[in-house]
Amino acid sequence: EDQVTQSPEALRLQEGESSSLNCSYTVSGLRGLFWYRQDPGKGPEFLFTLYSAGEEKEKERLKATLTKKESFLHITAPKPEDSATYLCAVQAWGGSQGNLIFGKGTKLSVKP
Amino acid sequence: NAGVTQTPKFQVLKTGQSMTLQCAQDMNHNSMYWYRQDPGMGLRLIYYSASEGTTDKGEVPNGYNVSRLNKREFSLRLESAAPSQTSVYFCASSEANKGDEKLFFGSGTQLSVL
Repeated sequence: EDQVTQSPEALRLQEGESSSLNCSYTVSGLRGLFWYRQDPGKGPEFLFTLYSAGEEKEKERLKATLTKKESFLHITAPKPEDSATYLCAVQAWGGSQGNLIFGKGTKLSVKP
Repeated sequence: NAGVTQTPKFQVLKTGQSMTLQCAQDMNHNSMYWYRQDPGMGLRLIYYSASEGTTDKGEVPNGYNVSRLNKREFSLRLESAAPSQTSVYFCASSEANKGDEKLFFGSGTQLSVL
């Protein structure tokens, strides 16, 4: 069964304190792994797509990496505006279109 | 730049009542989706429409129906609402022409069924 597990469930950081969020996945064949950001009361906002092990993508203070079993979202010198819930999702080959398997998310709080 | 627009934002229903959630996108995307998000669970796909005129079931379709009215609009209908359908509902769209699902989400509808 395809599944995605994110850890930790919640993470509190001080402004400037770098850390990483983890997304472990089990999927029959990975077509793509996605990271989204979700602010309270809003829909998820796309951040990155990763397709193969070893791939990395960056956007401002965020860097996503991918191995054959997990993905990390590294946050460097975070700011309070980075506070949000970060969602990881996988798409499997052969799965129905749009049927991303989402994790439960990591709620990140960055204190000034 | 509106993106994906959902209405209503909030709704309270009594068990057995019906309602339709509306969704429209202005990005000329071919594919549209309905997800639900429950506390302690990941987003789950209810129905999707790969292109105008087609719809297919997702992971949790029971109790719902959909209509792809045109390329822009995709509605979700609850014929007889149940408390188990209390959730936040998100509509999304994607180009889906490269095979990857970069989804653009609306801001959601918070539905309570009493």
